[in-house]
Amino acid sequence: SQQGEEDPQALSIQEGENATMNCSYKTSINNLQWYRQNSGRGLVHLILIRSNEREKHSGRLRVTLDTSKKSSSLLITASRAADTASYFCATAPNDKVIFGPGTSLSVIP
Amino acid sequence: DTGVSQDPRHKITKRGQNVTFRCDPISEHNRLYWYRQTLGQGPEFLTYFQNEAQLEKSRLLSDRFSAERPKGSFSTLEIQRTEQGDSAMYLCASSLAAGTPTYEQYFGPGTRLTVT
Repeated sequence: SQQGEEDPQALSIQEGENATMNCSYKTSINNLQWYRQNSGRGLVHLILIRSNEREKHSGRLRVTLDTSKKSSSLLITASRAADTASYFCATAPNDKVIFGPGTSLSVIP
Repeated sequence: DTGVSQDPRHKITKRGQNVTFRCDPISEHNRLYWYRQTLGQGPEFLTYFQNEAQLEKSRLLSDRFSAERPKGSFSTLEIQRTEQGDSAMYLCASSLAAGTPTYEQYFGPGTRLTVT
């Protein structure tokens, strides 16, 4: 079974709007990572948040982590058409990185 | 370009044939991972190496699959007697070992396998 589950499965927004994706996981973690994948390409690492951190920012990205609820969220502000991609959360409960099924984001120009 | 390369990028093969994929990681990375990804799903872990040692192998990996990293640098993934269900994107990633300050994985572009 997958360690992480993203929600929603698909999200469609207008350019300039904010996009929020959520991730829930099952076991305790040391850190949680978010990755982006453009269609037909490899994954690109976006941000890593450690278990003792509650919030982290990187450019237009904001990630939160709630270890009591075993959940994380990724917020993309002021979205652009180039943000259209699939977004995955990933955890490594035992050195083996486990990915969720992803959220497919479409940003409409 | 993340610095991880995979070859070939696309492979079409007939059922029953053997195929081999190659991954060249970032040179200073001692960990190398193989994943399989089907349409609409996240990458599924197959196996990983620390240097030349294969540390874990998923139950998804049948006896038809074998991976090597002979000198702790590049790695190969071989699939014997391919089946149509093997059609997928095969992704390779490299990273520094766990416990280092950053543990992010750098992914290659993938090899798309189509079994006809």
